[in-house]
Amino acid sequence: SAVISQKPSRDICQRGTSLTIQCQVDSQVTMMFWYRQQPGQSLTLIATANQGSEATYESGFVIDKFPISRPNLTFSTLTVSNMSPEDSSIYLCSVTPGQSYEQYFGPGTRLTVT
Amino acid sequence: RKEVEQDPGPFNVPEGATVAFNCTYSNSASQSFFWYRQDCRKEPKLLMSVYSSGNEDGRFTAQLNRASQYISLLIRDSKLSDSATYLCVDGSNTGNQFYFGTGTSLTVIP
Repeated sequence: SAVISQKPSRDICQRGTSLTIQCQVDSQVTMMFWYRQQPGQSLTLIATANQGSEATYESGFVIDKFPISRPNLTFSTLTVSNMSPEDSSIYLCSVTPGQSYEQYFGPGTRLTVT
Repeated sequence: RKEVEQDPGPFNVPEGATVAFNCTYSNSASQSFFWYRQDCRKEPKLLMSVYSSGNEDGRFTAQLNRASQYISLLIRDSKLSDSATYLCVDGSNTGNQFYFGTGTSLTVIP
């Protein structure tokens, strides 16, 4: 498994502003994933972030709205840009350590946009 | 059609009962499946991985039926601490794409 931390754990932001969420892993991992979980819903993959390449975005998510950085094998950031109340959600990062397909999740960032 | 479908429940069962959740998936090429547990306001935690026909870990048994494209999770001798939402996941055939079900809510009643 892996130990994953996220910052901030929660935030309340105003409409039109941006928030950058950090994800730190205690070991080097090739693949990191960013998910969104809206209230009462399951998880939706936003993008896959591999070190040294551009993030791959899922349908419905674009780089201008959710820019991602992956500067090294233990760290990634997700920015939620020009926020609206519809962006209120929990944002989670996950990793696949080792050779298995198992994903391990960070504790999440609870975002409320007013 | 959704990639993964689960009965959302809720399932309310007494302590000590056996409960089973089913989950269907649409991608016949998928090779890996998972059950995650998610407590309220917490992140999902891996409960079991299923790569072949099934897996067992203590009171928990996961089974995979490729012909019918479903996986199941059986919980025996339910404990109060088993109360949570259980997420079925299709890990696809690449491992890069996880498809999450909507989750099944379980409440174990004293």
